[in-house]
Amino acid sequence: GENVEQHPSTLSVQEGDSAVIKCTYSDSASNYFPWYKQELGKGPQLIIDIRSNVGEKKDQRIAVTLNKTAKHFSLHITETQPEDSAVYFCAASLGFGNEKLTFGTGTRLTIIP
Amino acid sequence: DAGITQSPRHKVTETGTPVTLRCHQTENHRYMYWYRQDPGHGLRLIHYSYGVKDTDKGEVSDGYSVSRSKTEDFLLTLESATSSQTSVYFCAITDRTNQPQHFGDGTRLSIL
Repeated sequence: GENVEQHPSTLSVQEGDSAVIKCTYSDSASNYFPWYKQELGKGPQLIIDIRSNVGEKKDQRIAVTLNKTAKHFSLHITETQPEDSAVYFCAASLGFGNEKLTFGTGTRLTIIP
Repeated sequence: DAGITQSPRHKVTETGTPVTLRCHQTENHRYMYWYRQDPGHGLRLIHYSYGVKDTDKGEVSDGYSVSRSKTEDFLLTLESATSSQTSVYFCAITDRTNQPQHFGDGTRLSIL
């Protein structure tokens, strides 16, 4: 089955700096890659996703890049703010959102004021 | 926010007792999922449903059963709870192909 590895497990950045979280996946047939943000006591919330026919996607300060050849994808957050502090999860699936998601183990991002 | 309600939000019980967690949605979405979240493991799929009375196993289904008798409710049952099932359980829903999954706020289950 699919295996998703996520790095780093913890990340601290100064407010205003950029943060990058990386994930690799094992199954070359995977074609859907969402990113979720989880705040304390809450469920994961989708922040951005990308499909395999696209190399990059942006939404304001958040961007995701996908390298299908290398089987890795990354989350980029620019101009970080204190409210960006949370745990971030990457995931991969074979389908288009209604298939089984395989998650990475999460990255705890702390923004230092 | 997607209309997903998980109940109870917290539960403490003893080893060997049966436990049922409920996921209720008001979105009329076809697909529903149960995940567990443990430190160092991220979220792992337990069972999922692709319609009323249609369910299938995920990667960590041993010790769990599910039922879906109506579109809005998806129940997760631990027939005889064990300490290894202490976890935070999340329900997720999605409507159809090409739509992302949306999660509830979880149930924290402690088995002593």
